[in-house]
Amino acid sequence: DAKTTQPTSMDCAEGRAANLPCNHSTISGNEYVYWYRQIHSQGPQYIIHGLKNNETNEMASLIITEDRKSSTLILPHATLRDTAVYYCIVRVGQGSGNTPLVFGKGTRLSVIA
Amino acid sequence: EPEVTQTPSHQVTQMGQEVILRCVPISNHLYFYWYRQILGQKVEFLVSFYNNEISEKSEIFDDQFSVERPDGSNFTLKIRSTKLEDSAMYFCASSEEIGAAISGNTIYFGEGSWLTVV
Repeated sequence: DAKTTQPTSMDCAEGRAANLPCNHSTISGNEYVYWYRQIHSQGPQYIIHGLKNNETNEMASLIITEDRKSSTLILPHATLRDTAVYYCIVRVGQGSGNTPLVFGKGTRLSVIA
Repeated sequence: EPEVTQTPSHQVTQMGQEVILRCVPISNHLYFYWYRQILGQKVEFLVSFYNNEISEKSEIFDDQFSVERPDGSNFTLKIRSTKLEDSAMYFCASSEEIGAAISGNTIYFGEGSWLTVV
């Protein structure tokens, strides 16, 4: 079962920042937080991941709380093409083998014009 | 940008027939995965594969399923005798092997193969 809790759905106005929260209160010290999205039954697309520091790439920013029990994915300027289901997943990222991703139901983000 | 490619994009098959779904992982990746997604449901892990053997599998991956890396580039999922409930999107994925010093290892997915069993 997924070890994260996300809201079922969210709306965001086009051009505004989309802030998607995720709770992972049982995260272990060696588990990373990964974010993926799935646009209408396409393959899950990797967005970003982090361990404890905040991370930023060309797609998004990831803010992880100091206690690591929650995080927020930020899409700084949402566009209509960002409408998708967003998955927050915790997973061991290094060390003993490549553990698979376990997907929950995610957050359905609707970007509105 | 390197990507995972899958064929066919869509296949319709008769119940009881064998199906082979094919995948070409990203070239320097050594871990391979199959996932499936039944219409309207979650993405579910089926199996992971490393060093020419299954490293982990879910309870969905029963004796009807098998995986193979027949050559240096392809990774296949075979369903021996398809059932109606095997109708789903099947996603192949791959990731690099990492050492302890490297932070995180990302899994990259293909666009999927739609399987419809009639």
